[in-house]
Parts: sequence; C-alpha cells; structure tokens
Amino acid sequence: GAVVSQHPSWVICKSGTSVKIECRSLDFQATTMFWYRQFPKQSLMLMATSNEGSKATYEQGVEKDKFLINHASLTLSTLTVTSAHPEDSSFYICSARDPPGAGELFFGEGSRLTVL
Amino acid sequence: EDQVTQSPEALRLQEGESSSLNCSYTVSGLRGLFWYRQDPGKGPEFLFTLYSAGEEKEKERLKATLTKKESFLHITAPKPEDSATYLCAFQGFSGGYNKLIFGAGTRLAVHP
Repeated sequence: GAVVSQHPSWVICKSGTSVKIECRSLDFQATTMFWYRQFPKQSLMLMATSNEGSKATYEQGVEKDKFLINHASLTLSTLTVTSAHPEDSSFYICSARDPPGAGELFFGEGSRLTVL
Repeated sequence: EDQVTQSPEALRLQEGESSSLNCSYTVSGLRGLFWYRQDPGKGPEFLFTLYSAGEEKEKERLKATLTKKESFLHITAPKPEDSATYLCAFQGFSGGYNKLIFGAGTRLAVHP
C-alpha cells in the first residue's frame, strides 16, 4: 500500500509554544490530506481536510486559528498547533488517499504531542 | 445522526481460538465500510474496504463481511501477533465524500 510518513513521531513542548507536525506522501501525490486526532482509547476524530494550494476545511468545533494547516505541495501537509496548552496533548494522525480522490485511505505513523 | 458502534470493547482470546468482531452502523447511505488495524502508538493500517451487502474479503487469518446494518471481522486461529486494536469506519453520503466516521475500536489480545 501507499506510504504516508509523519514527523516528529513524538514531541514534548512547554505551554504557550507552537509545534509543527509534517505529513508526507512518499510514493504518491496527494492533493488532499486529512488530519485526525485521537485521545486514549477513543476513536479517531477528523479535524480538518488539507487541500493543496488552497485553504483547509475544518470540522465543526475545531479552531482554525489554533490548528494551522498548510498544504504547500502535492506531497507535504503541515499541522501547526499554536500556543499549545495541556488540553492539546493528543495523538495526531494524518492520512491521504491513493489514488487521490477515489482510493483507499492510508495513515501516517502518528505524532504524540505532550504539552507541559 | 450517522454513527458506528463496535463490540466488544475488548476481547481476550487464546491462540487458535477463532472469534468475530462486530461493527454496526446507522447511516443514511453507505459509500464504503473500512477495517483498520492499529498497534499501540501507531497510525491505523488499512485492512479491507467493503462496498455492498454480501461482500466478503479475506487476508490471511482475517475475513471481513458486510450486511445492510453491520460488518464482521472474523479472525480464524489467531496468533499473538494479531493482538491490536481493530477499527471500523464508514463513509456515508452525508458530511462530504472524504469524511470517515470511526468506531471506538475493539482491543484484541491473543495469548499463547
């Protein structure tokens, strides 16, 4: 299957700082990528849809100024958690479809964020 | 409201003891039903997609089936390496083409 890679796999930061997570499609181009959030023992919740060359689409209840998404190329999307607080601590996972638009959804390895 | 429920929440099996995981859904229309495997601290790994009632797919010791209201993931003669959380998700006609609704998962532990 297609490979989606995330970096970093884990990050610890102080409250009030910003953290950037990268998501790359390694062997295919992804015009659209999806960012999910997962709390312990809970299901994945879609946060936003990242669109190459245009603004991201956020799900209801997700603060777009808190979670900045940039999709600058066909293989890279970034999620920046701004002014992070302890309640932002979570497991963030990106995904993309291969082939784009109609294929299966493949996930990255996830990024564990801990805000102190 | 579209929703998906997985049961049981957790399942403990002895190696070789076959069983089934359930994923029931209430949706206005189904584009696809997906099964994923998730290991601790990792992203979900794609297993199967099912599109219509009666469809079945197999991969090694796993077989997924779909009816109009639920899907089953059958595990035949499981091994300890099958231990993981199994997630199902559906893609409906509401909420946009790209939106998958995930269940909370079934945590499977297979003991030697």
